[in-house]
Amino acid sequence: SQQGEEDPQALSIQEGENATMNCSYKTSINNLQWYRQNSGRGLVHLILIRSNEREKHSGRLRVTLDTSKKSSSLLITASRAADTASYFCATDNNAGNMLTFGGGTRLMVKP
Amino acid sequence: NAGVTQTPKFRVLKTGQSMTLLCAQDMNHEYMYWYRQDPGMGLRLIHYSVGEGTTAKGEVPDGYNVSRLKKQNFLLGLESAAPSQTSVYFCASSYLQINQPQHFGDGTRLSIL
Repeated sequence: SQQGEEDPQALSIQEGENATMNCSYKTSINNLQWYRQNSGRGLVHLILIRSNEREKHSGRLRVTLDTSKKSSSLLITASRAADTASYFCATDNNAGNMLTFGGGTRLMVKP
Repeated sequence: NAGVTQTPKFRVLKTGQSMTLLCAQDMNHEYMYWYRQDPGMGLRLIHYSVGEGTTAKGEVPDGYNVSRLKKQNFLLGLESAAPSQTSVYFCASSYLQINQPQHFGDGTRLSIL
């Protein structure tokens, strides 16, 4: 089945550094979403990028989408300890009637 | 505004027991979903509903049943719990369409012994 796969599985950085996470998927999409999950909590939607968009910004978040490579990246600039969480990409199918989540990237930001 | 509320938060069951997980949303969303999350894996869709009175199977529906009698509530039932159903269960909702931003509850941790 179609699935987004995040890379790396885990990432540890110092506060103030940038964090980059990547997501690859297999088949055509209408949009791709990124979510954050803090330990013991539910997922929180961060950003949605449509297949005809190449880049999108939201505060310290920057998402890019390359449909020719079937990949996306999430960049968190000037990271903070509060950014420590797991980050998931989610892709829909071509019909837009299914959303599939990847296994996530665990980000640790050390103070 | 509570968003999506799941009850209970934790539960331990014995193999063969049954239980119902309750999800309530106060955002007037049409779509509701039940996912399970296992260690090191992403979320997998169990069942979903596109409106009051409707339900549909997701990726891993076996062993589960659901009901959507009221628009704001979505119930997930385990008729005869098995150890393989030990997981964290998340409910989510979205205003329109499955591929739009979803709002999640904080999960129910279920252990089956």
